[in-house]
Amino acid sequence: EAQVTQNPRYLITVTGKKLTVTCSQNMNHEYMSWYRQDPGLGLRQIYYSMNVEVTDKGDVPEGYKVSRKEKRNFPLILESPSPNQTSLYFCASSLDSSTDTQYFGPGTRLTVL
Amino acid sequence: QKEVEQDPGPLSVPEGAIVSLNCTYSNSAFQYFMWYRQYSRKGPELLMYTYSSGNKEDGRFTAQVDKSSKYISLFIRDSQPSDSATYLCAMSASQILTGGGNKLTFGTGTQLKVEL
Repeated sequence: EAQVTQNPRYLITVTGKKLTVTCSQNMNHEYMSWYRQDPGLGLRQIYYSMNVEVTDKGDVPEGYKVSRKEKRNFPLILESPSPNQTSLYFCASSLDSSTDTQYFGPGTRLTVL
Repeated sequence: QKEVEQDPGPLSVPEGAIVSLNCTYSNSAFQYFMWYRQYSRKGPELLMYTYSSGNKEDGRFTAQVDKSSKYISLFIRDSQPSDSATYLCAMSASQILTGGGNKLTFGTGTQLKVEL
């Protein structure tokens, strides 16, 4: 089954404790992206990657890091999480950077205390 | 002012009603318009995709784009309880203008409930 998977689905952590949210897609997509979804603000792009070893900032990159060492994986790293990073996070992928059809993962609900 | 404005609802309608969901936008560079549906505790899934102005129909769903007014709509005919979800509009500009990457700009979503 073609899909985007994220782990963990739910995470509660404390301020300053480094964490990684994994994202993997099995569709051989070149383009991958991370979004956060907050009430009243909608989905906002954090980082995106057009291909392996190519990443760039989205609209709200502060406090986040990403890497793209393999085509299928695009982990989101929070080096020192803060309470304002409490949010619902979605990973998405699409065939390539010119294709607007993005497939979203199931989401990761993160709470930072 | 946000680039994309969408009424958050909630919108409650009886089963069988025609539903109209709308978004307005300010960036005239947007050329690609999408509607995503998001069920509770799930990721968004693409429902409709249109390029430039005009209508597109898919079963009970019709997407309409009016670029002159910077206004897009999604119509749902014969609405069903299974249509209860949050509907997100999304837009993107020409890749030539953005320098690459298919960055989507989303509305905040309209919560729809179809009641029996």
